[in-house]
Amino acid sequence: GAGVSQTPSNKVTEKGKYVELRCDPISGHTALYWYRQSLGQGPEFLIYFQGTGAADDSGLPNDRFFAVRPEGSVSTLKIQRTERGDSAVYLCASSLLWLAGGPYNEQFFGPGTRLTVL
Amino acid sequence: AQTVTQSQPEMSVQEAETVTLSCTYDTSESDYYLFWYKQPPSRQMILVIRQEAYKQQNATENRFSVNFQKAAKSFSLKISDSQLGDAAMYFCAYRFQGANAGGTSYGKLTFGQGTILTVHP
Repeated sequence: GAGVSQTPSNKVTEKGKYVELRCDPISGHTALYWYRQSLGQGPEFLIYFQGTGAADDSGLPNDRFFAVRPEGSVSTLKIQRTERGDSAVYLCASSLLWLAGGPYNEQFFGPGTRLTVL
Repeated sequence: AQTVTQSQPEMSVQEAETVTLSCTYDTSESDYYLFWYKQPPSRQMILVIRQEAYKQQNATENRFSVNFQKAAKSFSLKISDSQLGDAAMYFCAYRFQGANAGGTSYGKLTFGQGTILTVHP
């Protein structure tokens, strides 16, 4: 597809379970970002990748959260031992180049995954 | 750390009228971008308009324009001739445009809390 895709669209899980959220960026985009959006709030930065490496993971709330991007395209956000406070929409975005300025750094967002922890 | 504040949780406008959404931000940097994003109920975040901090001229995109006051750290969005399709949550966002010591760009966006815009027919 032409845009950023995220799967699943919705995920309901029980407290204590493990979940994986997937992001497929726009083909050729080297930078990938994860954000978390709680109900009625703006998105908050979690982590961003340049290629395969995490260039900035300062937004991950604790060690239960982990993300990978092994081949520099698809990324997976992994949450262990989920808590009710993890319930939110998880947004993924990608951009063409992370080093250049201007429009090349424009982030294109996916539709998000709504995670509900019961 | 940078912060972005939207003090209007909700705004409403009549179709064809003009509405202005407010945003203030705080940063010690001089090289940055500011954005307005629209998020309809589908959750898809859509870029409405961007402003480079070094440009004095206010950005304009069709019916959307900004009033960028760098000294006051204010960045408001004006929507002219409002349409029913403009109804959505609007977010103001900031991005540092510089690079760290390693030469990589800080790409992350810092968002405000959002303003829900209702358009009445």
